Amino acid sequence: AQKVTQAQTEISVVEKEDVTLDCVYETRDTTYYLFWYKQPPSGELVFLIRRNSFDEQNEISGRYSWNFQKSTSSFNFTITASQVVDSAVYFCALSELSTNAGKSTFGDGTTLTVKP
Amino acid sequence: NAGVMQNPRHLVRRRGQEARLRCSPMKGHSHVYWYRQLPEEGLKFMVYLQKENIIDESGMPKERFSAEFPKEGPSILRIQQVVRGDSAAYFCASSLGQGVFLTEAFFGQGTRLTVV
Repeated sequence: AQKVTQAQTEISVVEKEDVTLDCVYETRDTTYYLFWYKQPPSGELVFLIRRNSFDEQNEISGRYSWNFQKSTSSFNFTITASQVVDSAVYFCALSELSTNAGKSTFGDGTTLTVKP
Repeated sequence: NAGVMQNPRHLVRRRGQEARLRCSPMKGHSHVYWYRQLPEEGLKFMVYLQKENIIDESGMPKERFSAEFPKEGPSILRIQQVVRGDSAAYFCASSLGQGVFLTEAFFGQGTRLTVV
């Protein structure tokens, strides 16, 4: 069975601080996809990144970076020089190819508050 | 180049009424997924449909909930005799297909159902 754990329920930082959101997953599949989504206060779900299990390269996109480590089953997300607009709930999600690659299991989310 | 369209965005129903939530997938997408997000929780998979077929309804409550994706028109999530516990955000996602060539599922903006 697939499972995603986001141990940090809430994080509060001051603007310009760096912050890392943790995600640990469980799966028996060798082929799977990992995702991060942002849900701002307005409620929509904003896709941030997808990573497949064969690509362990870390990725950087502007102030965002992701660290995928299969050895520890983790897919952590770092925001550098945080801004107030980064305040949102962030979800990590997992899809297994063997069950249905479009069907995702979500973590419970981490609420990030960035204070000015 | 419209994305996944959900309507209505907000829906208020009295206890015992029926709620109908609509989802128009992205152009060319024939796979639709429904998720429910209860307050303060992550998204939970409900059902996966292809045109005219329910493929996986393992996350659907056994009673009062049904879903369809007809040959023509949007996918419909129907909740009969709503109760307060049905109050949640309901998200729809669509994808081109499944399997190794699947890209990520694209999410709509959600329908927020409030039962009063």
